Amino acid sequence: ETGVTQTPRHLVMGMTNKKSLKCEQHLGHNAMYWYKQSAKKPLELMFVYNFKEQTENNSVPSRFSPECPNSSHLFLHLHTLQPEDSALYLCASSPRTGGGNEKLFFGSGTQLSVL
Amino acid sequence: DQQVKQNSPSLSVQEGRISILNCDYTNSMFDYFLWYKKYPAEGPTFLISISSIKDKNEDGRFTVFLNKSAKHLSLHIVPSQPGDSAVYFCAASYSSNTGKLIFGQGTTLQVKP
Repeated sequence: ETGVTQTPRHLVMGMTNKKSLKCEQHLGHNAMYWYKQSAKKPLELMFVYNFKEQTENNSVPSRFSPECPNSSHLFLHLHTLQPEDSALYLCASSPRTGGGNEKLFFGSGTQLSVL
Repeated sequence: DQQVKQNSPSLSVQEGRISILNCDYTNSMFDYFLWYKKYPAEGPTFLISISSIKDKNEDGRFTVFLNKSAKHLSLHIVPSQPGDSAVYFCAASYSSNTGKLIFGQGTTLQVKP
């Protein structure tokens, strides 16, 4: 089993649907992240959680709602998304945040298509 | 404003030759740089990193060079192998940041047998 597991791997949803992405890490890390990768663009940080507390919200629209119930689990709740939200959503974890030398461990991602 | 740039979207090299992937950055506060490799349908995996107090870090076939005055870093792979074919992302961060990595757009490397 890989260190960071994301489900589902693929998701197709309509603009009126509500869905959730799940991420679980088995590395004993204390920080978790959501990144978005759109076609031909760099990975874009969305949210950072450190010890279950949100420490970064990179101006993400409210139709994306993260939840971190404990240091091992991270969710991204989706509602009323737009077609331009179609992208690969990557979860990552690290031992902690800060310090500037963090090495992130990524999951395989959820490929999201919004119709 | 893109702070980390990989200006070459793709690179093709022959097996056994050297692959050189380049990355430029604009933020002089960056003091830690990383390279990640990504295969299709998988998440990025950490490859090698370098602190700004160094100008070179080597790990097996992979070497990263940092030129702070030019705000430029490069990843050398030698000898290149077909299994190295992947997308390579450059990333940067700085000490006072909340662990946020800033990524480049990626360079797709193809190593031909």
